Order: sequence, then C-alpha cells, then structure tokens
Amino acid sequence: DAGITQSPRHKVTETGTPVTLRCHQTENHRYMYWYRQDPGHGLRLIHYSYGVKDTDKGEVSDGYSVSRSKTEDFLLTLESATSSQTSVYFCAISDSKMGVNTQYFGPGTRLTVL
Amino acid sequence: AQTVTQSQPEMSVQEAETVTLSCTYDTSESDYYLFWYKQPPSRQMILVIRQEAYKQQNATENRFSVNFQKAAKSFSLKISDSQLGDAAMYFCAYRSALNSGSARQLTFGSGTQLTVLP
Repeated sequence: DAGITQSPRHKVTETGTPVTLRCHQTENHRYMYWYRQDPGHGLRLIHYSYGVKDTDKGEVSDGYSVSRSKTEDFLLTLESATSSQTSVYFCAISDSKMGVNTQYFGPGTRLTVL
Repeated sequence: AQTVTQSQPEMSVQEAETVTLSCTYDTSESDYYLFWYKQPPSRQMILVIRQEAYKQQNATENRFSVNFQKAAKSFSLKISDSQLGDAAMYFCAYRSALNSGSARQLTFGSGTQLTVLP
C-alpha cells in the first residue's frame, strides 16, 4: 500500500462544467502522475509532477491542467469537461524508497461526462 | 517512442494449470525496466513483477515468473498453479531507465483479460 487516495471515486458531470480530481499521498513521495484508462489503450500519461510547483505534460495533456502546491496533493483539473474525457483516472507515485523506477497506483476515479 | 504490444486480448486457464501471457515492446534504448500489472474487477492496479533490462536472470515472485528475451524484445508472464483470484486484466508496461522528463512515464500495452475456470 503506497498510501495513495483519490477523490472523488466516482463523478458524473455535464459537458462544459469544470471538474477537479484530487490525489493525496501520505508518504512524502516526490514524483506523482495522472493517467487515464480507456478501453483498448491501457493507461496513458496526462501530466506528472517532480516536486512542489514542478509539473510537465504527458502524452494526452490537451484539455487538462494540474497543480501541486503541497507535496501530498496533486490536482487534475478539466477546465471544461467534454464527453471524450469520460474515463477512469489513476494517480500514481514513484519514489526511490519503494524501489527505484517503480510506480504504484491509487484506486482510480471513474468520471462520466454527459 | 516506445510501444508495447499485447497480442492476446483474452485468455483462459483451468484452475491449477499454467498460463503464459505475451508482451512485446519496441525501443531503441539499451537500459529500461519492464513491468506486469494486474487489474482485478476492483479496478486497482497492482504490481505483479518487474524486470531490469540489465539483469539476465528472469524475475520471479512466488507463482509468477517472466521470460525476458532482450534481443527479441519479448517479456512474457507465466502464472503457475492458477487460482481463481488470478482472474484479472493484465498489463505489460515499459519504462526508460533515463531519469529525466517524460522518460519517467510508463508506456502500457492494451491488456490481456485472463479468465480462470474452476
């Protein structure tokens, strides 16, 4: 257990509304990631963070922004949700304490955009 | 860019039997890491096993072992003495050994759904 929680676990929203997903970790990991999972695609990286206020884009970053003002929290924001952003979102951490270059995942958030 | 291919969308195995899930990858790098993750119906992504490319010895974790063929860029997962609890989606993943920027990301295959028959 990497001490990762995600909230909310499920959310239904309407097209055009803003949505923020939260990832919280309790073990002071430096690196955090947001992935989305869609059928036939496995998981794809949206954004990642390598420290407080340090973030960068991943493979599928369009339409998403992130923020990390504290080590323990990594927020993913959909400024104006679209139906194509209906997906399952996973947060992950990696840290040298747990085995270098190994990522561990949170429980996921299922987001439905109507 | 690296790609990971799992050519078996679905597989089934009889309880107590052995099953092998296939994974191939494409990379121009010489040093990297490979992983198998399990995703049961609970949706949680669970690390099963990892392999460092510089290690010739295949990794093992209890009933799970890998056959890592670096020249062939193949990384298969063998599950011995299959149990009902092994039923899940299995994902193969690649990560560069570089520690800069987006090299840290995992690249996933599309998954193999494993059914265990009683």
